[in-house]
Amino acid sequence: DTGVSQDPRHKITKRGQNVTFRCDPISEHNRLYWYRQTLGQGPEFLTYFQNEAQLEKSRLLSDRFSAERPKGSFSTLEIQRTEQGDSAMYLCASSQKTGAYGYTFGSGTRLTVV
Amino acid sequence: AQSVTQLGSHVSVSEGALVLLRCNYSSSVPPYLFWYVQYPNQGLQLLLKYTTGATLVKGINGFEAEFKKSETSFHLTKPSAHMSDAAEYFCAVSVGNQFYFGTGTSLTVIP
Repeated sequence: DTGVSQDPRHKITKRGQNVTFRCDPISEHNRLYWYRQTLGQGPEFLTYFQNEAQLEKSRLLSDRFSAERPKGSFSTLEIQRTEQGDSAMYLCASSQKTGAYGYTFGSGTRLTVV
Repeated sequence: AQSVTQLGSHVSVSEGALVLLRCNYSSSVPPYLFWYVQYPNQGLQLLLKYTTGATLVKGINGFEAEFKKSETSFHLTKPSAHMSDAAEYFCAVSVGNQFYFGTGTSLTVIP
């Protein structure tokens, strides 16, 4: 078990470009979460998958954002037509069963939009 | 509605001194409570959690926290600060399928 892996660790992109991030959760965890963290703030919930089903989406997840977990294993988060306000750390987490178990977080992908 | 308030965005302590990081929550249902630590450019690492049972919970690296329902608090403490404790600390409440995080407290340890 290598924990939750996120790729890439850092991404610099020009405004208007599309970016895609990948998250590989802990293999036996059926729940996967995406969070966004801006400087000086705590993580904010974006979306949640149970297996391949996307069960919840935050209002923060605008139409430019899309997340998938096609086979219930890894997940991708795509941002289309990036804006400077999208610059943040994007964190992925996974868990077993309910939130009582806590989440295991990846190291995050830091996105900078220039 | 669920929310988490961390009092003090920055806390400084001397090495060897007591660490106290404050967290208050509001929840419409009995919550699960967590403390996470984040080092620069890293993800969040679970320090400890309260789900049910004993209200004083012990975590990694000598940290502990006490759930006080009457005060809706879950303060984090460590008897003696170490230089390696310098990091950002987040309190979180889990309700249903979501975690709600506080805005974090940055801990500085002065040698």
